[in-house]
Amino acid sequence: SQKIEQNSEALNIQEGKTATLTCNYTNYSPAYLQWYRQDPGRGPVFLLLIRENEKEKRKERLKVTFDTTLKQSLFHITASQPADSATYLCALDGYGGSQGNLIFGKGTKLSVKP
Amino acid sequence: GAVVSQHPSWVICKSGTSVKIECRSLDFQATTMFWYRQFPKQSLMLMATSNEGSKATYEQGVEKDKFLINHASLTLSTLTVTSAHPEDSSFYICSAPDLTSGSYEQYFGPGTRLTVT
Repeated sequence: SQKIEQNSEALNIQEGKTATLTCNYTNYSPAYLQWYRQDPGRGPVFLLLIRENEKEKRKERLKVTFDTTLKQSLFHITASQPADSATYLCALDGYGGSQGNLIFGKGTKLSVKP
Repeated sequence: GAVVSQHPSWVICKSGTSVKIECRSLDFQATTMFWYRQFPKQSLMLMATSNEGSKATYEQGVEKDKFLINHASLTLSTLTVTSAHPEDSSFYICSAPDLTSGSYEQYFGPGTRLTVT
């Protein structure tokens, strides 16, 4: 069955540094991969989507890479701030990209210390 | 961006009673909505796909007679947890894609915290 792993349950970094989160998947070839932010007691908020034919995507201080050979996506937050502290989830399309439902990883809880 | 609301944001009920959770798309029409459940420190798990005007599609292991889904309009889906038990206590979240935008982005509701005593 499809499996998604986010390698760290928690990541602590200093303000101003770059945070790098990893998402690995197996038994699947997704059409796209998404990253979401989830704050405690709230629903996830969409951040970035990267398609299978894209290597890299950027949005302000965020950067996502997608390596379909390694079956891995990296999510970077540059110049991190305490306000970036949250849980970050990666998600793959569940049924070949057309139906819209998602399979989520467990998430990585990022803490940015001032 | 598109907004999805949920009501209530939290609910406490007694074991054996039923609870209804509403999910609304506020500024777009959603022919499809998804219901997820999230236990503490766990991933969001898809429970079912709610389709406007037709029966919901349930994921394996989810009891359709226990988790009743009704998608009566293009902006409203409801999830009813029937005969709730303490093990049903969880964080329930709905989402909807805005398919007209051409994006696969999902818009999530703020979630409903259900506690069954």
